[in-house]
Amino acid sequence: GENVEQHPSTLSVQEGDSAVIKCTYSDSASNYFPWYKQELGKRPQLIIDIRSNVGEKKDQRIAVTLNKTAKHFSLHITETQPEDSAVYFCAANSVRGAQKLVFGQGTRLTINP
Amino acid sequence: DAGVIQSPRHEVTEMGQEVTLRCKPISGHDYLFWYRQTMMRGLELLIYFNNNVPIDDSGMPEDRFSAKMPNASFSTLKIQPSEPRDSAVYFCASSLVLAGGEQFFGPGTRLTVL
Repeated sequence: GENVEQHPSTLSVQEGDSAVIKCTYSDSASNYFPWYKQELGKRPQLIIDIRSNVGEKKDQRIAVTLNKTAKHFSLHITETQPEDSAVYFCAANSVRGAQKLVFGQGTRLTINP
Repeated sequence: DAGVIQSPRHEVTEMGQEVTLRCKPISGHDYLFWYRQTMMRGLELLIYFNNNVPIDDSGMPEDRFSAKMPNASFSTLKIQPSEPRDSAVYFCASSLVLAGGEQFFGPGTRLTVL
């Protein structure tokens, strides 16, 4: 089945700098890659997603890139702000066998003022 | 819509007791998912339903865990008997599609088994 690896597990950046979180997946047939943000004590919420027919997607300060050949995708946050501090999860859909979303282990992002 | 609703929000129980977690999905969503979140294991899918039918329960850790969905607006996750290692946050989520679209998570139930 699908396996998703996420790095780094923790990331600390200065306010205003950029943050990059990377994920790799194992199933070349996967075609949907969402990113969820989970603030402390809250539920995970979708912030951006990308499908395999595009290589990049942007939404204001966040962007996701996808490299299907290398089977990795990344989340980019520019001009980071304190409210960006949270745990971020990547995921990929498993399409062979049992279909489901497989989540990475998460990255705890801290924005330092 | 109020979103996915879960109850209780917090549950503290003693080892050996039965625990029942409840979930109301977003109306019209055909898929319902139960996840468990711990620091060590991250976000794990336990089971999911499609149109009230359990489809994949391969993530259910052992026979002490069971889940039901008697109708489109209600699901339960039961642990009997509970053990300290079951302590975690349990999330319910629902979606319109299986694995190609947004899953909407409930607020979670924080379970502590003493």
